[in-house]
This record gives sequence, structure tokens and C-alpha cells, in this order.
Amino acid sequence: GNSVTQMEGPVTLSEEAFLTINCTYTATGYPSLFWYVQYPGEGLQLLLKATKADDKGSNKGFEATYRKETTSFHLEKGSVQVSDSAVYFCALSNRGAQKLVFGQGTRLTINP
Amino acid sequence: EAGVVQSPRYKIIEKKQPVAFWCNPISGHNTLYWYLQNLGQGPELLIRYENEEAVDDSQLPKDRFSAERLKGVDSTLKIQPAELGDSAVYLCASSFGGGGQETQYFGPGTRLLVL
Repeated sequence: GNSVTQMEGPVTLSEEAFLTINCTYTATGYPSLFWYVQYPGEGLQLLLKATKADDKGSNKGFEATYRKETTSFHLEKGSVQVSDSAVYFCALSNRGAQKLVFGQGTRLTINP
Repeated sequence: EAGVVQSPRYKIIEKKQPVAFWCNPISGHNTLYWYLQNLGQGPELLIRYENEEAVDDSQLPKDRFSAERLKGVDSTLKIQPAELGDSAVYLCASSFGGGGQETQYFGPGTRLLVL
């Protein structure tokens, strides 16, 4: 079946550090891949997505590239800010199942 | 444009009591989802509607959970009777279309505590 495995947290970084949160997936067919972010006290928000192999999603300085050969969709940001502190979820959606399958989430804390 | 609206935001009940959650999706979104999010985990789909039809309810515990989406707009999720293990956040999401590539927009969730 479909599944998503994320880097375990929590992750704590200093402001302006480089961020990588690893995400790998198992799926049949060709899923779409997503990163969602959940800020404290708020609902899930789409951060970025990619719908086919080698696509790069980007938003707010975050990037992730759909790597079919390694079944990965790692999230990166060159210089994090305190306001990036949140829980980040990697997810996939398969045309067949038409539902989001989420990883367990990675809690990120950025210290000033 | 208004986002997905959910109410109540918080609910505390005693076990064996009934509880209901309400969701109003983004206007024009024909697909509506209910997800369950346990503490420290990612959301898991309970049920998906396309218009008023429940097209995937395979993960909905039908002995105690029920849902409806009358007229293909608002939706209600009910638990009767609630158990301690039902304490979680219940998320509603909506999208236009259901092909798998579209973005799902989430509401703020209802946080349920069963005592």
C-alpha cells in the first residue's frame, strides 16, 4: 500500500541555518507529492507540491524535488527564520485512492 | 475568499455521550474529506465525499461513527457513543475535483477530549 516516512523530530536549529527534512514514500503508480505545514494553533496549510518526477515545488524559500529513482521528496530551505517554527507533514496522493496519505510529521523549532 | 469553516473548535464530553462536528467547505468545492489526527501523528482519512455521495468510507468505524453531506455542501460527522480513544483532532478539508493532484484545503479542526 501507499505510505510516507519522514525524518523523525523534533528538529531544533538556529536562525539562518540550512534546513533539510527527509521524506521517502512507497506508492503504486505515479503519486503527487505534497508538503503541508501546521503552525501552532492553526490548521494544515499547503506549503508546496509536485505532480510528476523531477518537478520542483517551491514556496516561501522552501523547495522540494520529486525524485522517482530514490522515491524521495526532501524539504529544504537555505536560511530558516524563527517564524518557520511549525510541524511539517509530507504527504502523497494517488490517482487511484484519491486521498492524502501523510507522514507522521516533523516538529521544527528555530531559535533566535 | 473564506476558507474551510469548522465548529466547534473545542469539545469536552464524557465517555458514552454523543458528539457532532460541523464543516462548511470552500464555496464551489465538490469534494469534502474528514480526517482524524491523533496526537503526534499525521492525519488519516475517515471519509471522502464527492458532492453528496460518500465514495470512500472504508476507514470510518461504522459502529459508532456516521457522517452526512446533505445537498453536497455542509457536512456533519457524528460519534455515538464516544470512547476515551476518540480524543483527537477532527479535520475537515475540501477540494475542487478529486483526481489526486488537486490541493486539499484544511479547516482549523475540532479538538475533542473524551473524559
